[in-house]
Amino acid sequence: SQTIHQWPATLVQPVGSPLSLECTVEGTSNPNLYWYRQAAGRGLQLLFYSVGIGQISSEVPQNLSASRPQDRQFILSSKKLLLSDSGFYLCAWSLSGTGEQYFGPGTRLTVT
Amino acid sequence: GESVGLHLPTLSVQEGDNSIINCAYSNSASDYFIWYKQESGKGPQFIIDIRSNMDKRQGQRVTVLLNKTVKHLSLQIAATQPGDSAVYFCAENAGGTSYGKLTFGQGTILTVHP
Repeated sequence: SQTIHQWPATLVQPVGSPLSLECTVEGTSNPNLYWYRQAAGRGLQLLFYSVGIGQISSEVPQNLSASRPQDRQFILSSKKLLLSDSGFYLCAWSLSGTGEQYFGPGTRLTVT
Repeated sequence: GESVGLHLPTLSVQEGDNSIINCAYSNSASDYFIWYKQESGKGPQFIIDIRSNMDKRQGQRVTVLLNKTVKHLSLQIAATQPGDSAVYFCAENAGGTSYGKLTFGQGTILTVHP
């Protein structure tokens, strides 16, 4: 069966510090991968998606970037965090472009 | 632009009652819809989906109804249990992309009282 992992689970970082969140998927090949951000009490906002290694598309302009160095690895990064980057970051995968997406456990990021 | 929204932000029910969570969507081109359940501090969990060529789909204790005429989606939970307490999101896929972009509603908080 497929599983998706995210780490760290929680993170507290000062403004201006760098960020690296990692997501890995097991049990499948060539998945579509997604990064979402969820503000407190709100819905999910798609940040990045990837349909293959090295292929990254951004949905919204922001202080973040994403990379996919391996088929089942998706990384969310920032060179300098802003207070507004605080939130719950969720990674998801899907097998096709029109099917359901499966989410990881999320990373709670607090920028202080 | 396209949006997916929910009629009721909160819903409180008694254990054993049936729950109905509603969702309105505005993009008539959407051809795929999903309901997710999200417990506090966790990632959303897939519940059930439906494609636009269907009006109804049933799962275990859950039923999704799609009314394309009025662009309305609902999730029915039978015999609601305390473990069903969570935030429920609807999401739509308007198609036309290679990566399956989902647009999420804001969520409904379901509270089940024992």
